[in-house]
Amino acid sequence: GENVEQHPSTLSVQEGDSAVIKCTYSDSASNYFPWYKQELGKRPQLIIDIRSNVGEKKDQRIAVTLNKTAKHFSLHITETQPEDSAVYFCAANSAGGTSYGKLTFGQGTILTVHP
Amino acid sequence: DTGVSQDPRHKITKRGQNVTFRCDPISEHNRLYWYRQTLGQGPEFLTYFQNEAQLEKSRLLSDRFSAERPKGSFSTLEIQRTEQGDSAMYLCASSPHFNEKLFFGSGTQLSVL
Repeated sequence: GENVEQHPSTLSVQEGDSAVIKCTYSDSASNYFPWYKQELGKRPQLIIDIRSNVGEKKDQRIAVTLNKTAKHFSLHITETQPEDSAVYFCAANSAGGTSYGKLTFGQGTILTVHP
Repeated sequence: DTGVSQDPRHKITKRGQNVTFRCDPISEHNRLYWYRQTLGQGPEFLTYFQNEAQLEKSRLLSDRFSAERPKGSFSTLEIQRTEQGDSAMYLCASSPHFNEKLFFGSGTQLSVL
């Protein structure tokens, strides 16, 4: 089955700096890669996603890049703000068959943005 | 709130007791998922439904776990003879037809004493 590794486990930055979180996946058939943000005690919320037919996607201060050959994808947050502090999870799907929509998550990155 | 709702938010039980959780998905979503999340880890897939059909179950879902979605709307997850290792956050998510964007509920935090 799919295996997703996420690094780093913790990331501390100053307000205004950029933050980068990286993930690798094992199943070359995976074709959907979402990122979720989870604040303490709250539900995971989808912040951005990318499909394997696209190399990069941006949404304001957030961008995701995908390298299918190397089987890794990254989340980039620019001009970080204290409200970006949360746990971020990457995930990859299990494509095809009855597994449509099943996601395998990384272990999470605790991002702390210092004012 | 028209998002995914879960009940209860917290459940404390003694080892050996049975517990049942409920999930109400977003109304137009026909897919419903159950995940389990332990402290410091990402959510782990347990099972999922398309309408009322349970299409896949993880090997994490032992015989003590059962999930239903009888009318293709809300779902229940029952754990029989709870063990301390069952302590976790149980998350429900839903998605529209042919769309893999998952929308999560706030979860049920289970503590087995």
